[in-house]
Amino acid sequence: RKEVEQDPGPFNVPEGATVAFNCTYSNSASQSFFWYRQDCRKEPKLLMSVYSSGNEDGRFTAQLNRASQYISLLIRDSKLSDSATYLCVVNRRNFNKFYFGSGTKLNVKP
Amino acid sequence: DVKVTQSSRYLVKRTGEKVFLECVQDMDHENMFWYRQDPGLGLRLIYFSYDVKMKEKGDIPEGYSVSREKKERFSLILESASTNQTSMYLCASSFTGVPSYEQYFGPGTRLTVT
Repeated sequence: RKEVEQDPGPFNVPEGATVAFNCTYSNSASQSFFWYRQDCRKEPKLLMSVYSSGNEDGRFTAQLNRASQYISLLIRDSKLSDSATYLCVVNRRNFNKFYFGSGTKLNVKP
Repeated sequence: DVKVTQSSRYLVKRTGEKVFLECVQDMDHENMFWYRQDPGLGLRLIYFSYDVKMKEKGDIPEGYSVSREKKERFSLILESASTNQTSMYLCASSFTGVPSYEQYFGPGTRLTVT
């Protein structure tokens, strides 16, 4: 079983739509959680960390559900520039290893 | 701004050649990582290093070795390149912390082995 699983998509949404991605992780010892964004042919870049209480950054909201071992990312009022692949990343307690999902592709269309 | 640089953006090598990929970070990060990224498989960890001269195998270390002689530099070595090592190679660095700090990535090296 993969450490981190994501729906690969693609999610095709119109501008202004709200879209949500989920990601599940298999190891309950996972401690740190992140969403990264990767544009085509570019390196991944941190979008936001995910905190236990949930956190929001502008149009983006991340939630963590430890009991069910999943994290989510909600994007409101989608922009064309949000088109990218979104990577879910987890890190286990006491390890310096990060586990990446294979990404969810989002296409925002005019 | 954190900067992670990689020695080449594109590289073409022949089967059996020894290949060196260099990565340099300028933020005094303790941890450095090498990943490869393939379609449908996501990022897979090859090796990481948490200090100078220290290294740990990741999930797919076979066919690779690494070197970290200075804190800012982490090298990936393909001892004898094979066609199945054609991939995008990404270097990353981070501080050590609990909970963990985010990773910063270099621009990647697209390696083709013919």
